[in-house]
Amino acid sequence: KAGVTQTPRYLIKTRGQQVTLSCSPISGHRSVSWYQQTPGQGLQFLFEYFSETQRNKGNFPGRFSGRQFSNSRSEMNVSTLELGDSALYLCASSLVTSGNNEQFFGPGTRLTVL
Amino acid sequence: DQQVKQNSPSLSVQEGRISILNCDYTNSMFDYFLWYKKYPAEGPTFLISISSIKDKNEDGRFTVFLNKSAKHLSLHIVPSQPGDSAVYFCAAFRSNYKLTFGKGTLLTVNP
Repeated sequence: KAGVTQTPRYLIKTRGQQVTLSCSPISGHRSVSWYQQTPGQGLQFLFEYFSETQRNKGNFPGRFSGRQFSNSRSEMNVSTLELGDSALYLCASSLVTSGNNEQFFGPGTRLTVL
Repeated sequence: DQQVKQNSPSLSVQEGRISILNCDYTNSMFDYFLWYKKYPAEGPTFLISISSIKDKNEDGRFTVFLNKSAKHLSLHIVPSQPGDSAVYFCAAFRSNYKLTFGKGTLLTVNP
């Protein structure tokens, strides 16, 4: 069974630009969660999608948005990039919903904002 | 407000000895706890979990202990191996809420 895939793996953008990251969950998984990882901050929850609906949202500004498609693939978008948005963005999928269902993580997208 | 805390950013142990990683939480409503391991350039991988109704769960070399009264859990790795060197994240879950992660502890196992 293929794992969670994320594209692109690396991305370099400049301040003010916008970026779209993609995540394909494990086949059959309907929940997709997004996390931001920065040095010293651990994994910060961005949002979770289940059956194309946002179920939970973390404490991030509105510049961070996401969506999920009918095939469970998910995208997240960051508009008006800031230097502080430089981070590893991780996507995780699970069968039903996050939490006590084991989440499977993708390798992440390393975003660098210059 | 950080509800899940891993107060040790790093830990170094000798191969063959025990590694103990600690995690504290503040929300008594958490009902499930998980540990994830992360190697550089890879996503975290699930390691072991424990329900709040248990106080211990064991899986091979890995054991997680939960002390609800102290709001504390720990991950024991015995014996530690160099391949265990990674960042370990503690995470907590409350029904219908998001999974909350700690900041992680970098474990280095020296040969």
